[in-house]
Amino acid sequence: NAGVTQTPKFRILKIGQSMTLQCTQDMNHNYMYWYRQDPGMGLKLIYYSVGAGITDKGEVPNGYNVSRSTTEDFPLRLELAAPSQTSVYFCASSSAGGAHNEQFFGPGTRLTVL
Amino acid sequence: AQTVTQSQPEMSVQEAETVTLSCTYDTSESDYYLFWYKQPPSRQMILVIRQEAYKQQNATENRFSVNFQKAAKSFSLKISDSQLGDAAMYFCAYRSENRDDKIIFGKGTRLHILP
Repeated sequence: NAGVTQTPKFRILKIGQSMTLQCTQDMNHNYMYWYRQDPGMGLKLIYYSVGAGITDKGEVPNGYNVSRSTTEDFPLRLELAAPSQTSVYFCASSSAGGAHNEQFFGPGTRLTVL
Repeated sequence: AQTVTQSQPEMSVQEAETVTLSCTYDTSESDYYLFWYKQPPSRQMILVIRQEAYKQQNATENRFSVNFQKAAKSFSLKISDSQLGDAAMYFCAYRSENRDDKIIFGKGTRLHILP
């Protein structure tokens, strides 16, 4: 099992550009999450999904969009990149919801917006 | 709103010694979990240990244990017999039992292991 994989590992964007961060998991998990980690801070939840076709906002959803067409994939879309979106982005998955189910994290994508 | 505070930005410990990382939180909820995550230089977040709020017994995972003081809203992590591989950022996190959108992380404590 590869677990949770994310691509790309690094990316530099210009202001106003768009991009999609890819996230795939091979554990057949229903729940998937996107977090951002700003320098010197903990993770903040952007969006999450409880299953294919269902997505919900987290704490910091503005400027992002997600979709969940399959169980395996949960891409995160930035439409108009802004410097405030410079961060490290983590995708995670869990078998079910609830705090008792462990989240498994991907290795992260470091995004810089100039 | 829930908050998680880690008051020690950095700590150092001699190899084979014991170190305790502090975490306090604030909540009005009764059902929740607390976690300690490790983030090594590879950036991958790894779950170290978790504690259910309704359990009085402190969680233990090998060399890692917690001191959970529910009334004081304190959740410290003790690492015994520190090893070089323990060097990392450690994050304390709070999660509501019944809400998937409420996961709060502290700012982290960077732990250095001195050989």
